[in-house]
Amino acid sequence: DTAVSQTPKYLVTQMGNDKSIKCEQNLGHDTMYWYKQDSKKFLKIMFSYNNKELIINETVPNRFSPKSPDKAHLNLHINSLELGDSAVYFCASSQDPGVQETQYFGPGTRLLVL
Amino acid sequence: SQKIEQNSEALNIQEGKTATLTCNYTNYSPAYLQWYRQDPGRGPVFLLLIRENEKEKRKERLKVTFDTTLKQSLFHITASQPADSATYLCALKDSSYKLIFGSGTRLLVRP
Repeated sequence: DTAVSQTPKYLVTQMGNDKSIKCEQNLGHDTMYWYKQDSKKFLKIMFSYNNKELIINETVPNRFSPKSPDKAHLNLHINSLELGDSAVYFCASSQDPGVQETQYFGPGTRLLVL
Repeated sequence: SQKIEQNSEALNIQEGKTATLTCNYTNYSPAYLQWYRQDPGRGPVFLLLIRENEKEKRKERLKVTFDTTLKQSLFHITASQPADSATYLCALKDSSYKLIFGSGTRLLVRP
């Protein structure tokens, strides 16, 4: 009955590799997000999709590319991984981005780049 | 741009006492402000939302206040329990409709 799920939960990889993180929500929400939480615990938005359309694209290196095949899924592909990409990545969803929406978060993907 | 400040030092209190956490923001007052709870190794979980025209909001042992003059929200947990130990995040929408989060305050409730 998981509302927002992410895979994998842990990801350990070498610098320079390409990896993907997957996210799925079964809440019927229209909007999905990717956040990055660094070692200082700041949670910063990276991307947001509304009905498969990109609506927020923060100042993120273009090595990061989100893809939304349908409104229940939002994946994150990262090319040429760097040490500084090590962080916890959270997927979230909400009903309506313009209203007083509550965001529902996934369990996070802990990425460690060696 | 909007900035949120939460006390980065952990708040350590005795079980049964009231915990009070502070969230200050720097620029315009948002239409609403949210509080989330985050446990280690987990994603944030929504707790409460308070609108700019509401002074106070309650949910069970939780109470949130919103003072647009002081640009501050206070989050209270009454009759605190060890199970309340977690990090509490304040969040609000910035001018471009992104939800921005504070770094959170860690609460430790001693039995």
